[in-house]
Amino acid sequence: GEEVAQTPKHLVRGEGQKAKLYCAPIKGHSYVFWYQQVLKNEFKFLISFQNENVFDETGMPKERFSAKCLPNSPCSLEIQATKLEDSAVYFCASSQGRSLEQYFGPGTRLTVT
Amino acid sequence: KNQVEQSPQSLIILEGKNCTLQCNYTVSPFSNLRWYKQDTGRGPVSLTIMTFSENTKSNGRYTATLDADTKQSSLHITASQLSDSASYICVVSEAAGNKLTFGGGTRVLVKP
Repeated sequence: GEEVAQTPKHLVRGEGQKAKLYCAPIKGHSYVFWYQQVLKNEFKFLISFQNENVFDETGMPKERFSAKCLPNSPCSLEIQATKLEDSAVYFCASSQGRSLEQYFGPGTRLTVT
Repeated sequence: KNQVEQSPQSLIILEGKNCTLQCNYTVSPFSNLRWYKQDTGRGPVSLTIMTFSENTKSNGRYTATLDADTKQSSLHITASQLSDSASYICVVSEAAGNKLTFGGGTRVLVKP
């Protein structure tokens, strides 16, 4: 597609439950990025992929967060045993090249209660 | 630590007026600087991207400047419109890996 698609738009989970977010990058884009946006525009980089390979995962809280980009499937970000502080908007972005323009999806708002 | 600082945090301007947003960064090694517009409830949309050698770049009524020596950038909005009400985020990319460092954003409210 011509836009980055993210599902679901909203997700509510009780503390300790699992959350799974999906991202379909723009067709032809080989890089996918995940960001977490907390209050007041504080964006935090989580992880990036080049095709199905992890490119940079230095931002990932590895204990509970995991992500995948498998061929012919939407990319996914999974949070095991969610905590209250995981409440945020999670954005996915894709780009054609490593240093090229990143196009953002509309985000998934995760609320942990 | 790589940082991007923006000022002001928020501003209110009257429709038709101009305004300038500031961005200071300490990201190194530097690859490029981007300004994004983020409407409420939406993902950021790119306005401009500037590399080390570019001093100014325009996109319609938006003009960005970059001083790579002082590590400062500005975004000037000319003849503001109500639709300019949004958050404007300065984002700096490191030279390796396209990792982005985001500023805290400036919330602009344009009033009629």
